[in-house]
Amino acid sequence: EAGVAQSPRYKIIEKRQSVAFWCNPISGHATLYWYQQILGQGPKLLIQFQNNGVVDDSQLPKDRFSAERLKGVDSTLKIQPAKLEDSAVYLCASSLTSGSGSYEQYFGPGTRLTVT
Amino acid sequence: GENVEQHPSTLSVQEGDSAVIKCTYSDSASNYFPWYKQELGKGPQLIIDIRSNVGEKKDQRIAVTLNKTAKHFSLHITETQPEDSAVYFCAASPDNYGQNFVFGPGTRLSVLP
Repeated sequence: EAGVAQSPRYKIIEKRQSVAFWCNPISGHATLYWYQQILGQGPKLLIQFQNNGVVDDSQLPKDRFSAERLKGVDSTLKIQPAKLEDSAVYLCASSLTSGSGSYEQYFGPGTRLTVT
Repeated sequence: GENVEQHPSTLSVQEGDSAVIKCTYSDSASNYFPWYKQELGKGPQLIIDIRSNVGEKKDQRIAVTLNKTAKHFSLHITETQPEDSAVYFCAASPDNYGQNFVFGPGTRLSVLP
């Protein structure tokens, strides 16, 4: 089966510019996650969707970050305006719906963002 | 909230030797503990997991042990091979459905030929 797709793979922007990342989860996976992975650290959850509803966005910096998952499939994560500290790899993951008994999260390759 | 610590941060072993990575967690409600392997330029991939009602789980050369009383769990890799070289992350989930992972900071494992 096809894995989680993300684009672009790399992005370089200047601070105060805006950027958007796209994610296409594994077909049939109702739950979608966006993580931020700063160099040398573990992934940190930004937002979790169940279908097209937000389950958890407690760690999303809402003054500059936004995310949506229209029609419960693809998702976009936007940063506006970007700061230097936003330089990181942004990972998208998906999993079967909660209550399915399967806990595995499948990760995409990530988008490496560099803010200069 | 949950906090996961992981040791060591880097580990070098000779090919064929064993490697052990240890994690501790803070939230006694956590009940699902996965281990992910991340190769350069790729997303993390699940290699083994354990739930709180089990003390040990093994899959070929990889095993995980869990001590709920002490709130720590460990990854054991035997007969290491060069392709085991990667960054390994432990995680803990306090969620009843195994979601909302909190990841450790990672261990960079190097297997020397």
